[in-house]
Amino acid sequence: AQSVSQHNHHVILSEAASLELGCNYSYGGTVNLFWYVQYPGQHLQLLLKYFSGDPLVKGIKGFEAEFIKSKFSFNLRKPSVQWSDTAEYFCAVSAQTGANNLFFGTGTRLTVIP
Amino acid sequence: KAGVTQTPRYLIKTRGQQVTLSCSPISGHRSVSWYQQTPGQGLQFLFEYFSETQRNKGNFPGRFSGRQFSNSRSEMNVSTLELGDSALYLCASSLDPADYGYTFGSGTRLTVV
Repeated sequence: AQSVSQHNHHVILSEAASLELGCNYSYGGTVNLFWYVQYPGQHLQLLLKYFSGDPLVKGIKGFEAEFIKSKFSFNLRKPSVQWSDTAEYFCAVSAQTGANNLFFGTGTRLTVIP
Repeated sequence: KAGVTQTPRYLIKTRGQQVTLSCSPISGHRSVSWYQQTPGQGLQFLFEYFSETQRNKGNFPGRFSGRQFSNSRSEMNVSTLELGDSALYLCASSLDPADYGYTFGSGTRLTVV
């Protein structure tokens, strides 16, 4: 069965600090990888996704993620966070073949202090 | 274009009752998935529908069911509600199962008392 681990439960940063949120997955086959963000009171929004090709994926709002196959990781990064990045971030994985539902990590709450 | 619309936004039900939640996907999207979000278990997959057929089902008891109509709108039903069913129920739509561009709705918050 697939599983996703997000090791950081709550991260607190000051504005302009760099961000890296960890995500590791467990699955025996080929996967698609996603990062979603949920701003306070809003719905889940897709930040970026990886299907194949260049393992460094750029998403919206200056976010990027790197797929490291040997480490089963898909960490999210942003060089300089803003107060508006305060939100909950979810890593998700789906199989590339067969059932394609998303398996989510438990989420990381990011608080950015102005 | 309009996003994924879920109704109602909030519901309060009593244990033992049943509830029906509705999801209208983005126009042109034919695949609809449902997820349950709770503080303890996080986001868990319930089921996926495409062309009025259930393609995939998560690990939930038979009290949880769903269906999809010919206009791609979907409903999920929970019978014999339990306190543990209190959660945010999210619907996501995509063009088809091969399209991973899921768009999520704002959810229906169900509280069982």
